[in-house]
Amino acid sequence: KQEVTQIPAALSVPEGENLVLNCSFTDSAIYNLQWFRQDPGKGLTSLLLIQSSQREQTSGRLNASLDKSSGRSTLYIAASQPGDSATYLCAVKRGGSNYKLTFGKGTLLTVNP
Amino acid sequence: DAGVIQSPRHEVTEMGQEVTLRCKPISGHDYLFWYRQTMMRGLELLIYFNNNVPIDDSGMPEDRFSAKMPNASFSTLKIQPSEPRDSAVYFCASSWDRFQETQYFGPGTRLLVL
Repeated sequence: KQEVTQIPAALSVPEGENLVLNCSFTDSAIYNLQWFRQDPGKGLTSLLLIQSSQREQTSGRLNASLDKSSGRSTLYIAASQPGDSATYLCAVKRGGSNYKLTFGKGTLLTVNP
Repeated sequence: DAGVIQSPRHEVTEMGQEVTLRCKPISGHDYLFWYRQTMMRGLELLIYFNNNVPIDDSGMPEDRFSAKMPNASFSTLKIQPSEPRDSAVYFCASSWDRFQETQYFGPGTRLLVL
């Protein structure tokens, strides 16, 4: 059974700092990995998706990497801003005929002005 | 498009009562997902539909939970009878592509069972 772990559970940084969020998964037979953002009281918004054949994806100040063989992904946020404060979740999708997403419990990020 | 619409946004009920959560997916999306989020267990997939047909319901916790999708624009998740441990945020999401590359989430229904 796939398990997804995110460390740390919570992170507080001053504005402007670069930071890294970590995600690990136990079964490397994945189809892709996604990073989501969740704001309080709201649903999830997809930030970046990395296919299993890719090593990284970038969007603006965000960069996600994937090391499938070691079962790890990181989300790098450059020059953090207070507006980046949210919970960040990673999710892996199993291949084959089942398209189920397995989520980590998330990292609560607070960026202090 | 208005995005995925869920109702109600908040529900408070007493143990033993029936609860019905509603979802309207984005028009044209033929995959619909129901998730439950708790502090203890995180976000879990309960069931998903393709073209109104349930494909995988292995995440449905027990027989008290049931889900239907009578047409492409409407789905319900019903809990009968409800129990305090069902208290959670329930999300509906929809997707248009065959490989469900991106799922669009609704704002969720926060359920409290007393």
